[in-house]
Amino acid sequence: NAGVTQTPKFRVLKTGQSMTLLCAQDMNHEYMYWYRQDPGMGLRLIHYSVGEGTTAKGEVPDGYNVSRLKKQNFLLGLESAAPSQTSVYFCASSTPGVGYGYTFGSGTRLTVV
Amino acid sequence: SQQGEEDPQALSIQEGENATMNCSYKTSINNLQWYRQNSGRGLVHLILIRSNEREKHSGRLRVTLDTSKKSSSLLITASRAADTASYFCATDARSNTGKLIFGQGTTLQVKP
Repeated sequence: NAGVTQTPKFRVLKTGQSMTLLCAQDMNHEYMYWYRQDPGMGLRLIHYSVGEGTTAKGEVPDGYNVSRLKKQNFLLGLESAAPSQTSVYFCASSTPGVGYGYTFGSGTRLTVV
Repeated sequence: SQQGEEDPQALSIQEGENATMNCSYKTSINNLQWYRQNSGRGLVHLILIRSNEREKHSGRLRVTLDTSKKSSSLLITASRAADTASYFCATDARSNTGKLIFGQGTTLQVKP
């Protein structure tokens, strides 16, 4: 049981390049989330999904797009990377109902130069 | 804007001492959760307390919730060097989406 797997773990991009971060979970969770973590800022929600085929904006969605074509996968795309998107990105999943917390992936450290 | 504000931002104690971290939030919630993050790792869920609960225990962890004051505290008793990590509170604000809003975290250092 792998839990939540994020790929890649590290990436360096040049300004203007695009990339996709992949999140995969094997726990049959309905809900999935993408957060970014910056020093002193805690975690901020980028986009989330409450089920296959559905996505919604979080607190800081600008510059990112997402897709949830399969229940187990949640993709985060950067169409034209900017230095302000340098961050650590975390994917998490959960299941509906009170009493359940998130399961987090180990993160993707992205640097945009 | 952040829902949770944590206090203190950093805490340094000796092994065996107790550590207390506080969290304040702004809106009504379904539940409040605490997470731990070791350096360079993902967050790990520690404990969840529902809005109708006032106190919850899990091993050496004790969480309290005061909805009238919109605040929570996490107590780690008999701390160990392995407890060194950042601790985050997160609130589920009754959105029916499971979205969590995280505080900025408290960095705990436990000296052996």
